[in-house]
Amino acid sequence: KAGVTQTPRYLIKTRGQQVTLSCSPISGHRSVSWYQQTPGQGLQFLFEYFSETQRNKGNFPGRFSGRQFSNSRSEMNVSTLELGDSALYLCASSPGLAGGTSIDTQYFGPGTRLTVL
Amino acid sequence: AQSVTQLGSHVSVSEGALVLLRCNYSSSVPPYLFWYVQYPNQGLQLLLKYTSAATLVKGINGFEAEFKKSETSFHLTKPSAHMSDAAEYFCAVKRGNTPLVFGKGTRLSVIA
Repeated sequence: KAGVTQTPRYLIKTRGQQVTLSCSPISGHRSVSWYQQTPGQGLQFLFEYFSETQRNKGNFPGRFSGRQFSNSRSEMNVSTLELGDSALYLCASSPGLAGGTSIDTQYFGPGTRLTVL
Repeated sequence: AQSVTQLGSHVSVSEGALVLLRCNYSSSVPPYLFWYVQYPNQGLQLLLKYTSAATLVKGINGFEAEFKKSETSFHLTKPSAHMSDAAEYFCAVKRGNTPLVFGKGTRLSVIA
């Protein structure tokens, strides 16, 4: 079974621009979560989508948004980029058991490295 | 709120020596616990998970972890370190519908 794929792998943008990152989950997985990883803050949860609905949201400004399509693929968008948005953005998929039970193990993609200049 | 503390941001061991990476959790009820490994320029790979079935959990690549409720700990061990174990290791906790919460990570270096 193919793993989680993320595109693009690397991205360079300038301040003020916007960016869209894409994530294709493992086949059959219905839940997709997004994380931001930086050296200073570590791994921080952005949001989770299940069956096209946002199920959880982290503590990030409204510039960060996401969506999920009917085939479970997900995109996240960051508008008005700031230097501090430079990070590795990780996507994780899970089967998405009904109710989000705790044993719903997440499998991660390789990430998208975003650099904001 | 649940949280995870990983003691030691950097651990260095000799090849063949015991690996011990420490993780303590804070949760009002017994949580589900995970260890992930991240190699350079890669995503996170699941090493093992605790789901209350057994307190000693065996994972991939010879790693195992023991859940100790009295100590609120879930330390990761491997009897003999290999050069290929050099990576960053993350402990994470999850409970109910809340998102996965990660520790700050521990970078493991293996010296030949």
